[in-house]
Amino acid sequence: DQQVKQNSPSLSVQEGRISILNCDYTNSMFDYFLWYKKYPAEGPTFLISISSIKDKNEDGRFTVFLNKSAKHLSLHIVPSQPGDSAVYFCAASGDNYGQNFVFGPGTRLSVLP
Amino acid sequence: DSGVTQTPKHLITATGQRVTLRCSPRSGDLSVYWYQQSLDQGLQFLIQYYNGEERAKGNILERFSAQQFPDLHSELNLSSLELGDSALYFCASSVAARDTQYFGPGTRLTVL
Repeated sequence: DQQVKQNSPSLSVQEGRISILNCDYTNSMFDYFLWYKKYPAEGPTFLISISSIKDKNEDGRFTVFLNKSAKHLSLHIVPSQPGDSAVYFCAASGDNYGQNFVFGPGTRLSVLP
Repeated sequence: DSGVTQTPKHLITATGQRVTLRCSPRSGDLSVYWYQQSLDQGLQFLIQYYNGEERAKGNILERFSAQQFPDLHSELNLSSLELGDSALYFCASSVAARDTQYFGPGTRLTVL
């Protein structure tokens, strides 16, 4: 049973436009969420996080939105750049899940020049 | 560079064999996590250690074991290897529980 879902395996966006990556979760006890970016042959790198006490967190070109009632979060990248082409993982954690993060399967973003 | 190191980078072995993967966390991080990523799959959490003690177990097979040493480096031992164990194995570290995890570059294991 996948507790964190990223239903789009891949996404293509034109350079300069907005990229929107989506993540849904099923466990209502999750209260802390992170996004990671992964290039081929490298480990994932942390991008941005959000706690359930907020509904938005921004860091430069990256903004994460959290809709707790819908159990949905999204990562917006504006403007998208070719260097953003990577696999993006959503991860969630909650007190009832111990000290672990549950990762989604990832979405491969391709930013076309 | 995340500050987390993993060795070896690549490992090729045969079915039935045993291998050890090594991870050195970032300086000051007490938590170490191990993940498995099979072909085009997400990250599957295997096990977590905090300051030498096992804290949480995920989808880790009985053939796999891990430990964290007093100097905080960690080793993941995989035994009786099967073809399906071929994967990328990542180690991550964090200062404390639920802090941001910093990932190493991974060890690619190929079982022939």
